[in-house]
Amino acid sequence: GQSLEQPSEVTAVEGAIVQINCTYQTSGFYGLSWYQQHDGGAPTFLSYNALDGLEETGRFSSFLSRSDSYGYLLLQELQMKDSASYFCAVSNQGGKLIFGQGTELSVKP
Amino acid sequence: NAGVTQTPKFRILKIGQSMTLQCAQDMNHNYMYWYRQDPGMGLKLIYYSVGAGITDKGEVPNGYNVSRSTTEDFPLRLELAAPSQTSVYFCASSYEARTSGFREQYFGPGTRLTVT
Repeated sequence: GQSLEQPSEVTAVEGAIVQINCTYQTSGFYGLSWYQQHDGGAPTFLSYNALDGLEETGRFSSFLSRSDSYGYLLLQELQMKDSASYFCAVSNQGGKLIFGQGTELSVKP
Repeated sequence: NAGVTQTPKFRILKIGQSMTLQCAQDMNHNYMYWYRQDPGMGLKLIYYSVGAGITDKGEVPNGYNVSRSTTEDFPLRLELAAPSQTSVYFCASSYEARTSGFREQYFGPGTRLTVT
């Protein structure tokens, strides 16, 4: 089967750095994606890693270690608007995404 | 471009009723998906399609049916609605990336369905 584990909630203060971890078990792994969802709205794409290493997009970075079946999303210079749910998702050859249960990030002033 | 659109936004069904959730995209994406999201949970894949005329089951297909007669539209049919189908339903679409497997999915705004 396929499964993903990520923390259910994380709290951080404005301006800080936070890391959200994701471990996965899957067959036919192609890559790890991260999505953001505000207040139950439409999820929006943040980043994708197919190869080991770090991908940086502005304040957000994502890391993947295929040998450890592990990845993380790093958010820097946290802003209040970053309060949201963050989902990791694995993609396989069939083009399907299997999502984790999500991490609710609360950013405090 | 409107992106991915879904109708209706909200619906209340009685147990045993049927309905069709509509989804359309104007980005000429081959891949389309239906997910459900229960409160505090991640998204579960119901059905997906890799092109017109081709559909396949996801993680939780029971109680649902889909069809894909055009590239643009991917309706989801609920037959004999049950309280367990109370959820938020999201439709998504993506393009095909043959080499990297990278398929950023674009999501619609969702349909909030309550079955009582």
